[in-house]
Amino acid sequence: GEDVEQSLFLSVREGDSSVINCTYTDSSSTYLYWYKQEPGAGLQLLTYIFSNMDMKQDQRLTVLLNKKDKHLSLRIADTQTGDSAIYFCAVPFSGGYNKLIFGAGTRLAVHP
Amino acid sequence: GAVVSQHPSWVICKSGTSVKIECRSLDFQATTMFWYRQFPKQSLMLMATSNEGSKATYEQGVEKDKFLINHASLTLSTLTVTSAHPEDSSFYICSARGLAPGETQYFGPGTRLLVL
Repeated sequence: GEDVEQSLFLSVREGDSSVINCTYTDSSSTYLYWYKQEPGAGLQLLTYIFSNMDMKQDQRLTVLLNKKDKHLSLRIADTQTGDSAIYFCAVPFSGGYNKLIFGAGTRLAVHP
Repeated sequence: GAVVSQHPSWVICKSGTSVKIECRSLDFQATTMFWYRQFPKQSLMLMATSNEGSKATYEQGVEKDKFLINHASLTLSTLTVTSAHPEDSSFYICSARGLAPGETQYFGPGTRLLVL
């Protein structure tokens, strides 16, 4: 079945850039998503990228997609303490658009 | 836009009782709603997918008689945990998908259930 993998933890200094990586197995995905979860809260959609794009930029966020390597990344420029959260990569299940398969989540810690 | 609410945000109940959690899409019509369960420091586990007016599709290993899902309208889905036990304690999150670009799922804030 579909598998989505992320590194579990990332620590960065405030003001630096953060790069969170994700790999997936199914190549038929049309949209790929990044969600953010703060402690005790639900998931907030950060951004998504269509599979025919290589890059999408939205203010401090840059998403890079390498379809050949099935690799998705999220770059946060000028990382702030408010960016500390868990970031989930999500990919539609190949068997239909209904389901999203989530990675385990990357916990981003921003320190001064 | 694309706001999803859940009620209650947290609930404590005694073992053996039933608990109902509501999920509402506030400013869009949700053709499909999803229910997830999340254990501490873990990812989301999809429990079931529900479409308005039809029976929910449960994931393998999820007991449909234990977790009753009703998708009564395009803006409301409910999850009832029947005869709750301590092992049902968890964070339950719903999401709703309308016709937004990217077929995006928008998530509710979650409901924390503690069964004593």
